[in-house]
Amino acid sequence: GESVGLHLPTLSVQEGDNSIINCAYSNSASDYFIWYKQESGKGPQFIIDIRSNMDKRQGQRVTVLLNKTVKHLSLQIAATQPGDSAVYFCAERGLEENTDKLIFGTGTRLQVFP
Amino acid sequence: DAMVIQNPRYQVTQFGKPVTLSCSQTLNHNVMYWYQQKSSQAPKLLFHYYDKDFNNEADTPDNFQSRRPNTSFCFLDIRSPGLGDAAMYLCATSPRLYSNQPQHFGDGTRLSIL
Repeated sequence: GESVGLHLPTLSVQEGDNSIINCAYSNSASDYFIWYKQESGKGPQFIIDIRSNMDKRQGQRVTVLLNKTVKHLSLQIAATQPGDSAVYFCAERGLEENTDKLIFGTGTRLQVFP
Repeated sequence: DAMVIQNPRYQVTQFGKPVTLSCSQTLNHNVMYWYQQKSSQAPKLLFHYYDKDFNNEADTPDNFQSRRPNTSFCFLDIRSPGLGDAAMYLCATSPRLYSNQPQHFGDGTRLSIL
């Protein structure tokens, strides 16, 4: 069945370094992907999205890369800051008809230390 | 300004005592979703409304019901909460199905069962 998974449950980085969070997805027909950031006690916050007709998209300090050949998604955070500490989820839109169901990955906790 | 508002932020109820969680949105989005998120897990979709059309996930227990009296409000009713229903409940919205836009989440209601 459809599934989205992350390789690393916890990622620790030093403040100022770049972070890379990875995600694997299983449905090669998926056409829309989203990265969310979830801080403790809050709901998921949209970071960046990408459609399957693109392989890279950049935002402010964040870049999402999509490799459809190996069904891999990554989130790069430049100059990681303490405020980036959170759990990051990738999500894939499911392909069931008449639904926008998101299939979430298991999440990666990003810890930023000074 | 919060666009998806969930009340209350924290809810305590007794085992077996019905409880209702509420969600309101100022985005005028057609689709509203309810997710359950347990500790250190990804959000799990319970059901969604596309306008007035209710769509239940196949594995959502009958104990969970939902109401959407108008575009702005959606309620989650748990008829007889069990200890296993203790979780964060997240509400989300999107403009329409297959909008290629991310779902917008509220900050959730954390439900505790005594």
